[in-house]
Amino acid sequence: AQTVTQSQPEMSVQEAETVTLSCTYDTSESDYYLFWYKQPPSRQMILVIRQEAYKQQNATENRFSVNFQKAAKSFSLKISDSQLGDAAMYFCAYPNQAGTALIFGKGTTLSVSS
Amino acid sequence: NAGVTQTPKFRILKIGQSMTLQCAQDMNHNYMYWYRQDPGMGLKLIYYSVGAGITDKGEVPNGYNVSRSTTEDFPLRLELAAPSQTSVYFCASRAGGEGTEAFFGQGTRLTVV
Repeated sequence: AQTVTQSQPEMSVQEAETVTLSCTYDTSESDYYLFWYKQPPSRQMILVIRQEAYKQQNATENRFSVNFQKAAKSFSLKISDSQLGDAAMYFCAYPNQAGTALIFGKGTTLSVSS
Repeated sequence: NAGVTQTPKFRILKIGQSMTLQCAQDMNHNYMYWYRQDPGMGLKLIYYSVGAGITDKGEVPNGYNVSRSTTEDFPLRLELAAPSQTSVYFCASRAGGEGTEAFFGQGTRLTVV
């Protein structure tokens, strides 16, 4: 069965610091997409960043970037210059084998202190 | 642009009661999903649909039913509610294709007592 593992249930970071959230996954596909979603206390799920496995270059969206290690099946999210508004639960996700649905990890709760 | 709309936002059910969670999207997306979120467990897929008239089971379908008669609507039916169905339910939609973003509704918090 395909699995997504987020090994850090909780993380904390100080404002302006950098934090990395880890994610590993298991797939036999050679080309696929990976996603990070953010869920703030409002419960609204928001796409943070996506990465195509075929591309060598790590995706970047402003202060958010990924460290994608295809051989290791690792997909970490790095948040630079952390802000109070970054406090949320973060989910790693990728499509099932048929490409019809997203499989989510259990999430990492990030707290940001001033 | 409303996106994905779920109703209701909150609901308390008694054991054995039934209800339908409504989900509608106005983005003409082919793919629609129902997930449930339990504390510490992430999002688990209940049912999904790749187009009108087509539905399929996800990881945790027992106790639920769905239908997809139109592209826009994807209701989730709970028959004979049980305490184990206490959860937050999310509806989502995607245009289709592996790289496309999933858009989520704001969730329904359901408590079965």
